[in-house]
Amino acid sequence: QQPVQSPQAVILREGEDAVINCSSSKALYSVHWYRQKHGEAPVFLMILLKGGEQKGHDKISASFNEKKQQSSLYLTASQLSYSGTYFCGTPWEGTSYGKLTFGQGTILTVHP
Amino acid sequence: SAVISQKPSRDICQRGTSLTIQCQVDSQVTMMFWYRQQPGQSLTLIATANQGSEATYESGFVIDKFPISRPNLTFSTLTVSNMSPEDSSIYLCSVDPGTGAYEQYFGPGTRLTVT
Repeated sequence: QQPVQSPQAVILREGEDAVINCSSSKALYSVHWYRQKHGEAPVFLMILLKGGEQKGHDKISASFNEKKQQSSLYLTASQLSYSGTYFCGTPWEGTSYGKLTFGQGTILTVHP
Repeated sequence: SAVISQKPSRDICQRGTSLTIQCQVDSQVTMMFWYRQQPGQSLTLIATANQGSEATYESGFVIDKFPISRPNLTFSTLTVSNMSPEDSSIYLCSVDPGTGAYEQYFGPGTRLTVT
């Protein structure tokens, strides 16, 4: 079952904040976040593990609510380099790793 | 992390032909995956290719259409057989380095256009 991301697209000015959500209908053991720039491969940002702490990567952080089966990616004081498509990926049921099912993606555009 | 290369980076093929995509990793990895990304879409898992065992295919993908080889722990190939325009996509391999951090790394992808 593919996780559902929202919103589908976000347009920001430099310095603004954004939140991208990822929800699943099945129990989650982890959530993986990736960013893909146009014409490039997806780049691993971070993984949120069940029972783990909120993670951070520069000014990008994420949370994982196991009960609600959802994760949120927070982009603070966005930079032009943050532009791209963000995907959340959820592993096969009962694992924290391995093959992933990806959400449909959220297109983030940051303008000067 | 793992450094992954893919060949070719792009190709234009005629329908009915086959193309073999190579994926090379700079370190030994157990778990390797092949994904397809259709234009403007998300990533869809085609199969899992673990060394020493037959590839495991996801629903909608069959071995006759997408045969996979995994001869060793650093290399894999995916063949797209009897191509049609619907096969036009980006094909990516990814690996889990097995460090226990559960990270996955993607190759640069192969952009395939079928005419």
